[in-house]
Amino acid sequence: AQSVTQLGSHVSVSEGALVLLRCNYSSSVPPYLFWYVQYPNQGLQLLLKYTTGATLVKGINGFEAEFKKSETSFHLTKPSAHMSDAAEYFCAVSGGGKLIFGQGTTLQVKP
Amino acid sequence: DAMVIQNPRYQVTQFGKPVTLSCSQTLNHNVMYWYQQKSSQAPKLLFHYYDKDFNNEADTPDNFQSRRPNTSFCFLDIRSPGLGDAAMYLCATSREEPYYEQYFGPGTRLTVT
Repeated sequence: AQSVTQLGSHVSVSEGALVLLRCNYSSSVPPYLFWYVQYPNQGLQLLLKYTTGATLVKGINGFEAEFKKSETSFHLTKPSAHMSDAAEYFCAVSGGGKLIFGQGTTLQVKP
Repeated sequence: DAMVIQNPRYQVTQFGKPVTLSCSQTLNHNVMYWYQQKSSQAPKLLFHYYDKDFNNEADTPDNFQSRRPNTSFCFLDIRSPGLGDAAMYLCATSREEPYYEQYFGPGTRLTVT
C-alpha cells in the first residue's frame, strides 16, 4: 500500500529565501507523485507531477521537485519565496485509482 | 476553459436538515470524487465514481450519499447533517488512466447551525 509523509506541518521562510518542503513516499510499484497547493477557502491546484522520465520536474509559479527513488523522496523547492506562496501544500501519491495525501505543510512567508 | 464547478460555494444548513451539494465538470473525465476536508487536515475521500460505478470508502458514514446522473454532474447528499459534518467539501475529476491526476473544484464550505 502507498503512503506519504510530509516532514514539518509548518514551514516559515523569509521573502526571497529558499523554500524546501519535504515529502517521502512508500510505494510497492513505480509511483506517480503530485504536489498540490491550496489557498484559503479554495480547492487544490496542481503544482507539478512526476510520472515517468526526467526526475527533476518543473511546475507552476517557479516550483520544482526532484524524484529520488533511492531516498523515496519528492521534495518541493522554490529558489526565492514570494508572499503569494503562503498556502497549504499537499504531497500525494496515486494508488488504486485514488490519491493518497500527506498531512500537508503550511508555508508561511515573512516580509 | 475546461473546469470543475461547485455550487454553492458557501452553504448554511440547520442541524438535521438535508442538504445537497453539486458538482459539474466540462473536462469529460469519467472518474469523479467527493472529499471532505476539515480545518488543517488533508482531504478525506468519501466516495468516487468510475463512470456510473459507485465506490464507497469503508469509513464513509451512511449519512452521506451520492448521485451521478450523467458524466458531467455529481451530487453529494447529506441526509441529516450534524455539527461534525461542518467542513469544506471538494469535488475532483480525473481520467481513469494512467496517472489518475485529479482536478479539483473550488469547494463548498458547509456550516451546520
